[in-house]
Amino acid sequence: GIQVEQSPPDLILQEGANSTLRCNFSDSVNNLQWFHQNPWGQLINLFYIPSGTKQNGRLSATTVATERYSLLYISSSQTTDSGVYFCAVDNTGTASKLTFGTGTRLQVTL
Amino acid sequence: SQTIHQWPATLVQPVGSPLSLECTVEGTSNPNLYWYRQAAGRGLQLLFYSVGIGQISSEVPQNLSASRPQDRQFILSSKKLLLSDSGFYLCAWRGGPGSPLHFGNGTRLTVT
Repeated sequence: GIQVEQSPPDLILQEGANSTLRCNFSDSVNNLQWFHQNPWGQLINLFYIPSGTKQNGRLSATTVATERYSLLYISSSQTTDSGVYFCAVDNTGTASKLTFGTGTRLQVTL
Repeated sequence: SQTIHQWPATLVQPVGSPLSLECTVEGTSNPNLYWYRQAAGRGLQLLFYSVGIGQISSEVPQNLSASRPQDRQFILSSKKLLLSDSGFYLCAWRGGPGSPLHFGNGTRLTVT
């Protein structure tokens, strides 16, 4: 099956700093999503981005499908950004089965 | 708008007892439905998915089973729980190819 690698595994930032999270995948995909899991375990859908660039407030994401990677940018980080960020991809067609990376654990400190 | 409900939020069960976790989706029809498990706070593993009523696909051989008795209802079950079944179980849905996946709030299961 498809392999998904995320980096870095852990990241500590001071409030106000910017960061870039990376997701590499081993095969072509027809779906890619970024999720944020908050400290209570809720998984929040950030972006549905199989290709191209999207922005939502302080967050933006870019997927370069031909080179098999995606980047999540967090600008002016806040303590509420803390949690685990997951990249998930799918290349199985109609079944739409997402394969998750192991995540990047982000801690934003004051 | 579409919403997904998953219950209970937490559950403590003894080894050997049965399990039933329920998930329902509102505001859509014929969704794709999924059960994922997360252990040790990182990495989600797909357990089951369903593209229609009565259609269940299993991804990982294990002590669990799933059923879809109604279009928007997905149930995760076990006849006898093992210690290794402890974890965070998440139900999810999507409208089909080309649409994003949305998760419920999860059930934290502890088998003692």
